[in-house]
Amino acid sequence: DIQLTQSPSSLSASVGDRVTITCRASQSISSFLNWYHQKPGKAPNLLIYGVSSLQSGVPSRFSGSGSGTDFTLTINSLQREDIGSYYCQQSYSVPFTFGPGTRVDIK
Amino acid sequence: QVQLVESGGGLVKPGGSLRLSCVASGFIFSDYYMTWIRQAPGKGLDWISYISSDGTYANYADSVKGRFTISRDDSKKSLYLQMSSLGAEDTAVYYCARKVTGYDYFDFWGQGILVTVSS
Repeated sequence: DIQLTQSPSSLSASVGDRVTITCRASQSISSFLNWYHQKPGKAPNLLIYGVSSLQSGVPSRFSGSGSGTDFTLTINSLQREDIGSYYCQQSYSVPFTFGPGTRVDIK
Repeated sequence: QVQLVESGGGLVKPGGSLRLSCVASGFIFSDYYMTWIRQAPGKGLDWISYISSDGTYANYADSVKGRFTISRDDSKKSLYLQMSSLGAEDTAVYYCARKVTGYDYFDFWGQGILVTVSS
């Protein structure tokens, strides 16, 4: 199975800050990397698919990059509604796996 | 708009069985692969199964293989998860989600349903 690690595991930032979350795969997954945001008590919401494609309706302050084994989610200008947990997910091979998550809160 | 609504969760004893349902609306259900994903309390996300759009093919995580069965009824726009031989490790919120082929991502999720396995 492909393992995903995320760093940091948690972070606290101010409104307006630029936030970067990293996801690393245990082997190359090409561009089969997706990102989700989960607000407390809610279902996850798709942010980005295929490394860098923004899902319809997702604000443009979210962006993704990377390839192979190393990927990044960037939030330009953090907003209060961005709090919660962020998960990367690989879809290169079954079983699909998720990273352990990065918890983001407002300083 | 796309909606997915799960039902059928609750408290079940260890070794017991339960069937979850997920009713879809707002899209052509038969066009899409569907999946189940779960989240244990305070933990991360765990993919457990998907089924093809025509229902002929399914795949499972090792943790549930042989115990869980995914199925669908396109006439009812419904997805199911039959769970058996349940253990405490199966306690989780279960989400159904629509899977988009190609990059195989999950673009719409239900609100989730809690399954608690306890004596």
